[in-house]
Amino acid sequence: NAGVTQTPKFQVLKTGQSMTLQCAQDMNHEYMSWYRQDPGMGLRLIHYSVGAGITDQGEVPNGYNVSRSTTEDFPLRLLSAAPSQTSVYFCASSYSQGNTEAFFGQGTRLTVV
Amino acid sequence: GEDVEQSLFLSVREGDSSVINCTYTDSSSTYLYWYKQEPGAGLQLLTYIFSNMDMKQDQRLTVLLNKKDKHLSLRIADTQTGDSAIYFCADSSGSGNTGKLIFGQGTTLQVKP
Repeated sequence: NAGVTQTPKFQVLKTGQSMTLQCAQDMNHEYMSWYRQDPGMGLRLIHYSVGAGITDQGEVPNGYNVSRSTTEDFPLRLLSAAPSQTSVYFCASSYSQGNTEAFFGQGTRLTVV
Repeated sequence: GEDVEQSLFLSVREGDSSVINCTYTDSSSTYLYWYKQEPGAGLQLLTYIFSNMDMKQDQRLTVLLNKKDKHLSLRIADTQTGDSAIYFCADSSGSGNTGKLIFGQGTTLQVKP
């Protein structure tokens, strides 16, 4: 049982490049989310999904796309990277009922130059 | 929208108690969480409290909830150097059970030997 797995751990992109951050969970959780962490700002929600085929925007969705074709995977796509997207990205998953304790991946540190 | 606020920094001596405070705005909160983040790592759930409780104790951790003032605190007894980390308060209210969490900015706890 690996929990929530994020890849890659580190990435450097040039402005305008695209890439996909991968997230997979093996706990059969319905809910999955992407957050970005910036100094002094806590974690801010980018996109979330309540189940396969269903996604919605969070607090800071601009510049990011997501899809949820399976329960296990929830990739985050940056279509045209900008320096403002330099951040640490966390994927989380949780059960759908009751206490919504979130399980987090180890994070992806992204630098856009 | 919902908001969660924390002070950014707390410094204590080893063996003292630490108290980390958090305020939130949404009165329909169901669960409130404390997460711990060690350097370079993801977030780990420390403890949580259900909104119909005033207090929860778990070994060295005590969570106090004042619903009237929308104030949450985390007390760590006999603080150790290994407790040095960033502590996040998070609120699941307003999420309609979607797994979304609203995080505070995080409190950096520094424990001096």
